[in-house]
Amino acid sequence: EAGVAQSPRYKIIEKRQSVAFWCNPISGHATLYWYQQILGQGPKLLIQFQNNGVVDDSQLPKDRFSAERLKGVDSTLKIQPAKLEDSAVYLCASRAGSQETQYFGPGTRLLVL
Amino acid sequence: LAKTTQPISMDSYEGQEVNITCSHNNIATNDYITWYQQFPSQGPRFIIQGYKTKVTNEVASLFIPADRKSSTLSLPRVSLSDTAVYYCLVDSGSARQLTFGSGTQLTVLP
Repeated sequence: EAGVAQSPRYKIIEKRQSVAFWCNPISGHATLYWYQQILGQGPKLLIQFQNNGVVDDSQLPKDRFSAERLKGVDSTLKIQPAKLEDSAVYLCASRAGSQETQYFGPGTRLLVL
Repeated sequence: LAKTTQPISMDSYEGQEVNITCSHNNIATNDYITWYQQFPSQGPRFIIQGYKTKVTNEVASLFIPADRKSSTLSLPRVSLSDTAVYYCLVDSGSARQLTFGSGTQLTVLP
């Protein structure tokens, strides 16, 4: 089966600019996650969707980050405006059920200058 | 919130068995333990998952003692390609419990 797809793979922007990342989960996976992984650290969960609804966004910096999954399939994560400390890899993961395996995409590497 | 603690790094030689232990003292009844492998520029990849006792698949074994406050990932006969960061994750399916630790950098030497 096809894996989790993410684009773009790399993005370089200047601080205060906006950026958006796209994720296409594995077909049929109702649960979708966005993680932020700073260099040298483990992934940090930002937001969880169940179908098109937000289950938990308690760790999402809502003053600048937003995410949506309008049709319960693809998802986008946006940062507006970006800060230097947002430089990280943004990982998308999906799973079929709460006790099923999470499958991760390759990530989008963001560099904010 | 179940926090995990792992060694920062480990070195091994090709052909040896490697055991990486993770402590998770605050694990809850509904939590299960999952281990992931991550190579540079890739997303984490699932290795193995378990709830208690021992689980084995084609690439690894997972040992979980009765109190479930720790778990040990065992990689038999490692090769150079097993050099990666290994994460244990305590997962109840709830977003609030999905906390990765800093991982263990395993380096396999020839």
